[in-house]
Amino acid sequence: GENVEQHPSTLSVQEGDSAVIKCTYSDSASNYFPWYKQELGKGPQLIIDIRSNVGEKKDQRIAVTLNKTAKHFSLHITETQPEDSAVYFCAASSGSGGGADGLTFGKGTHLIIQP
Amino acid sequence: EAQVTQNPRYLITVTGKKLTVTCSQNMNHEYMSWYRQDPGLGLRQIYYSMNVEVTDKGDVPEGYKVSRKEKRNFPLILESPSPNQTSLYFCASSLSPGLRFRGGYTFGSGTRLTVV
Repeated sequence: GENVEQHPSTLSVQEGDSAVIKCTYSDSASNYFPWYKQELGKGPQLIIDIRSNVGEKKDQRIAVTLNKTAKHFSLHITETQPEDSAVYFCAASSGSGGGADGLTFGKGTHLIIQP
Repeated sequence: EAQVTQNPRYLITVTGKKLTVTCSQNMNHEYMSWYRQDPGLGLRQIYYSMNVEVTDKGDVPEGYKVSRKEKRNFPLILESPSPNQTSLYFCASSLSPGLRFRGGYTFGSGTRLTVV
């Protein structure tokens, strides 16, 4: 099955700086890669996703890049703000509709924005 | 408002006392799933359901049961809870399997379970 590794487990950056979180996956059949943000006391919320036919996707201060050859994808947050402090999860799925075909999540990155 | 509702939010119980955590979604989603979240382990899938009366095991199904009698509800049942099931539980739903990942999962707010 799929295995997703996420680094770092904790990331502290100064407000206004950029933050990068990296994930690798094992199953070359995976073709859908979402990122979730979990604020304290809440469930994870989808913030951005990318499919394997796209190399990069942006949404305001957030971008995700995908390298299918190397089987890794990254989340980039620019001009970080205090409200970006949260736990971020990457995930991967083949989306084939068969078997235990759910999302496999990374272990999460606790992003801390220092004022 | 489109949402996944879990109840209760917090639960403390004793070993061996059967309990049910309810999950309901109002988005007419076909796919539903349960995850547990533990420090350092991230989110691990317990069970999932592709549609009514169709359920299957995820990565960590031992000690849990589920049912899907109606499209909107997907309860998680612990027949004989043990302390190692102390965790934060999330229910999630998504569109039909073929379109499952358009918009990704919608998660509930979580249920923090403590088994003593």
